Amino acid sequence: SFELTQTHSSVSVALGQTATITCEADRIGSKNVQWYQQKPAQAPILIMYWDSRRPSGIPERFSGSNSGQMATLTISGAQAGDEADYYCQVWDFTTVIFGGGTKLTVL
Amino acid sequence: EVQLLESGGGVVQPGGSLRLSCAASGFNFGDDVMSWVRQAPGKGPQWVSAISGGGEKRYYADSVKGRFTISRDNSKSTLYLEMHSLRAEDTAVYYCAKVNTLNSFFFDYWGHGTLVTVSS
Repeated sequence: SFELTQTHSSVSVALGQTATITCEADRIGSKNVQWYQQKPAQAPILIMYWDSRRPSGIPERFSGSNSGQMATLTISGAQAGDEADYYCQVWDFTTVIFGGGTKLTVL
Repeated sequence: EVQLLESGGGVVQPGGSLRLSCAASGFNFGDDVMSWVRQAPGKGPQWVSAISGGGEKRYYADSVKGRFTISRDNSKSTLYLEMHSLRAEDTAVYYCAKVNTLNSFFFDYWGHGTLVTVSS
């Protein structure tokens, strides 16, 4: 079965610097990847769809890419408010798969 | 503004049953696939079930197949999840989510969630 691996369970970034969160799977580049942000005690929110499209209201500092075996979420100029858990997600035939999550800490 | 409001969570004994509801507003409910996604304490989201706009197609994760039933009442803009034979591992926050099926399948709006605790 298809599995998504977020290799780094936690990532730290200095305020204003760039954070990169990855999601790996065999042939993930052939799928559309979504990313969700979840802050403590809140529901997840969609921050990226179709690999690199931002929903309305999501800041431009969030960007995404997907190729080969890896999808990437990049946060340029990380803000304190970006501290959260981030999950990747794909649709595989008749099931939805989430990655295990990456906790972003902004120092 | 899209709003999804879940209700029906609570504490239930193993083997028990519970019915969750999700009241939707702010969009044409009957036009959209809807889904339930759960999140166990300290874990990532896990998709549970989905239902087509008209209710004719239903999909389930293997972990709940045969025990959970998803349904909807488009006249009331409400989504349901009937849960039976509950197990400790079903303990989670259950989210109702609106599904976007354009070129993929993903959750563009989420409710705030309702907590289900399976414990004796």
